[in-house]
Amino acid sequence: ILNVEQSPQSLHVQEGDSTNFTCSFPSSNFYALHWYRWETAKSPEALFVMTLNGDEKKKGRISATLNTKEGYSYLYIKGSQPEDSATYLCALYGQNFVFGPGTRLSVLP
Amino acid sequence: DAGVTQSPTHLIKTRGQQVTLRCSPKSGHDTVSWYQQALGQGPQFIFQYYEEEERQRGNFPDRFSGHQFPNYSSELNVNALLLGDSALYLCASSETVATNEKLFFGSGTQLSVL
Repeated sequence: ILNVEQSPQSLHVQEGDSTNFTCSFPSSNFYALHWYRWETAKSPEALFVMTLNGDEKKKGRISATLNTKEGYSYLYIKGSQPEDSATYLCALYGQNFVFGPGTRLSVLP
Repeated sequence: DAGVTQSPTHLIKTRGQQVTLRCSPKSGHDTVSWYQQALGQGPQFIFQYYEEEERQRGNFPDRFSGHQFPNYSSELNVNALLLGDSALYLCASSETVATNEKLFFGSGTQLSVL
């Protein structure tokens, strides 16, 4: 059974700061790793889908890396904006989707 | 193009009752999965439906059952409700069951069991 951990649980940054958070997992026994952004009062939205042989993914100011050997994925946000405030979920797809508990990001103007 | 829609948005039930939650997938999607999200946790996989059959199931008791209709919409049924079933129930759809297909989520049904 996959176990997905995310850290930190929450963080507050100032507008313009760059930040990153971690998704960690004990083994690479999965097919794909997904990142989702979940804004308050909205639905989770997919950011990236990363396969085991995938490279870094980038979408605007947000990028993600995957290191299956060391068992982690990083999500980076460059120049955080208030609209980046959300919970960021990591999910691994093995037999089915296993989600981490999320990192709650608050960007202060 | 409507995304994933869920109904109702909120529901209050008492212990022992039964509940049915509904989900319509995004247009063009044939795979629907259900998740339970308790406070402070990530969504937990309940089951996945494809071609009107349950394809995968998470670690949930038989009180949780589902159905997928020919139009790909889906229902989640929970019998003999417990206080611990209080949670946000999310429905997600995808184009196929492939592992690299991203999920599209609905806004969820907030279930409160008193």
